[in-house]
Amino acid sequence: QKEVEQNSGPLSVPEGAIASLNCTYSDRGSQSFFWYRQYSGKSPELIMFIYSNGDKEDGRFTAQLNKASQYVSLLIRDSQPSDSATYLCAVRDTGGFKTIFGAGTRLFVKA
Amino acid sequence: KAGVTQTPRYLIKTRGQQVTLSCSPISGHRSVSWYQQTPGQGLQFLFEYFSETQRNKGNFPGRFSGRQFSNSRSEMNVSTLELGDSALYLCASTEQANTEAFFGQGTRLTVV
Repeated sequence: QKEVEQNSGPLSVPEGAIASLNCTYSDRGSQSFFWYRQYSGKSPELIMFIYSNGDKEDGRFTAQLNKASQYVSLLIRDSQPSDSATYLCAVRDTGGFKTIFGAGTRLFVKA
Repeated sequence: KAGVTQTPRYLIKTRGQQVTLSCSPISGHRSVSWYQQTPGQGLQFLFEYFSETQRNKGNFPGRFSGRQFSNSRSEMNVSTLELGDSALYLCASTEQANTEAFFGQGTRLTVV
């Protein structure tokens, strides 16, 4: 079993729709969770982090965490073509410094 | 505050050579992690350094090594390069445990 699993996609949504990205992880001791966006040929850019169960909202982005189910998700509201990128789920290990990444989900937002 | 700086941005090396990549973290960040990114394997963890000590290591052969200096700058070295080492090498710095990691622009290594 992979440590951090994501659906590789591609996920295609029309402009203005909600994009839902999901991630599961295996380390029950993990305390911090991150979503990165990566455009082709660029380095990953942090867009959200979440530490507590529940929802965390930042503009059009909402991260959701359920530690009991070992599940993290990212919702992007009012999706824009500029949101088209690969979204990486990242989980920090129990020690707090080693970050494990999922393989990423490719999102396409159609104008 | 300056971001994470990686040098060089691009490198072309021949099989069998060795290469050294550099990473300067954000000021005040003492943890530096290195990743290899290839199209087929995604982001693979290489190692993590904190206060000049390697604390975490991924599943890479001994040809991959690194170090961290007292000013938190880090270098990684790959010896006896193979074609499969062609990848984007990324470093990320973190201020403290369980806080955000920020990436540099990466070094694109091509082995021919």
